[in-house]
Amino acid sequence: ETGVTQTPRHLVMGMTNKKSLKCEQHLGHNAMYWYKQSAKKPLELMFVYNFKEQTENNSVPSRFSPECPNSSHLFLHLHTLQPEDSALYLCASSQDVGGWWPQHFGDGTRLSIL
Amino acid sequence: SQQGEEDPQALSIQEGENATMNCSYKTSINNLQWYRQNSGRGLVHLILIRSNEREKHSGRLRVTLDTSKKSSSLLITASRAADTASYFCATGPQGAQKLVFGQGTRLTINP
Repeated sequence: ETGVTQTPRHLVMGMTNKKSLKCEQHLGHNAMYWYKQSAKKPLELMFVYNFKEQTENNSVPSRFSPECPNSSHLFLHLHTLQPEDSALYLCASSQDVGGWWPQHFGDGTRLSIL
Repeated sequence: SQQGEEDPQALSIQEGENATMNCSYKTSINNLQWYRQNSGRGLVHLILIRSNEREKHSGRLRVTLDTSKKSSSLLITASRAADTASYFCATGPQGAQKLVFGQGTRLTINP
């Protein structure tokens, strides 16, 4: 139990579908992150939120749309995805934004695009 | 190019042996962190070493940091089957508001 919960754990969707990934942290942290993990590639940072304000967007395609309604919840809205978007999507939180703080990860959503 | 690069990419040893993994990075850092990822799970933070520290211990883990060589090593002593996982180093570059992860070392402990 890491204190960060992601749902769903697995998701299969077609390229024209719209779906959302959900992340919730119970640690009282101020910063939340979305990462993409693909086989044989380093972990890719997608978005960073600090006190529910987006502070970083790492040139992520617009078919990925994040939403952070409060410091405890983070969503990733998906639409018109491509096969290369199949990956493990990880959510993480830390006490504050920045490289000083250890990050706590959820177990991820395994996304498969048909 | 990525900040942290782990070496080796894969390591297989017998239970009870020690495992050493290395990480090299390119820019000045505030700290370096090591994480473990079991198959199908998220990353778990293991240990953080600050740029002004040279060595740190946590249970069976020993981390060293050489800022002059821009490198770090993670030593797991008396390995167990449960240590089988991927291990990642992550650097907190100076002036950056994020961690940068390497590709990881896949460690297999054979019973």
